[in-house]
Amino acid sequence: NAGVMQNPRHLVRRRGQEARLRCSPVKGHSHVYWYRQLPEEGLKFMVYLQKENIIDESGMPKERFSAEFPKEGPSILRIQQVVRGDSAAYFCASSLRDSRLTEQFFGPGTRLTVL
Amino acid sequence: AQKVTQAQTEISVVEKEDVTLDCVYETRDTTYYLFWYKQPPSGELVFLIRRNSFDEQNEISGRYSWNFQKSTSSFNFTITASQVVDSAVYFCALSESKGGANNLFFGTGTRLTVIP
Repeated sequence: NAGVMQNPRHLVRRRGQEARLRCSPVKGHSHVYWYRQLPEEGLKFMVYLQKENIIDESGMPKERFSAEFPKEGPSILRIQQVVRGDSAAYFCASSLRDSRLTEQFFGPGTRLTVL
Repeated sequence: AQKVTQAQTEISVVEKEDVTLDCVYETRDTTYYLFWYKQPPSGELVFLIRRNSFDEQNEISGRYSWNFQKSTSSFNFTITASQVVDSAVYFCALSESKGGANNLFFGTGTRLTVIP
C-alpha cells in the first residue's frame, strides 16, 4: 500500500547542471501536482498534471523548468541549468480524482541543493 | 494578496499546555476547501484535515480540534494537552474551485515547539 514515492530524496547539483526529480503517485492516482518549498516558507504550487497532459502550469517559472507525466512511468520535474535560487524542497502530491473532492497525498519531498 | 495568512511564525508552549494555531484565508469563491498539514522535522507533509466551505461544524479528533468560522474567514487549529511529538511546522492551506485549477495555496506555516 505504497504512498507517493519521490526520488531522489536529496540531490546535489552544481550551477549549470540539470536536475531530474521523479514522482511515482499512489497506485491508481492519475492526478499529480508539484510544489516548491523555499527555506522557511510554505509550499507554492508549480504544476498540475494528469496522464500525458499538463492541466495547469501557472506556478512554473517560464524558463528552465518543465514537467511531464507520461502514460507509463513516474512524473518528472526537470530543471535545466540550475542556479543557487533553485535550492529548495520539491514536493509531489497525487490524488485519485479532482482534488476538490479528495485530499492530495504528499510524497516525502526531494531536497535540491545547488552548489 | 496573501490567500492564506498564518500570523504566528513561531509558538513555544510547555508540554500539556493547550495551543491554538491561527489561520485566516481570503477567497471570492463560494465553494472552497481548507486544509491543515503537519511537517515534522523529518520534512514530510502529513495531512490532518480537509473541510469544505459548506460545513461549518467544528471537528474534534483526539487532542486536535478545528474551529471554522466563515464570518471571520478563519480556520483555527487547537492542540489540547500538547506533547513533544507535536513539535512541527503546521501549514494551513486553501483550495479554490474556480477555473479548473486544482492547487493548494499554503500559508507560510507556524513552527510549534513543545518544551518538555
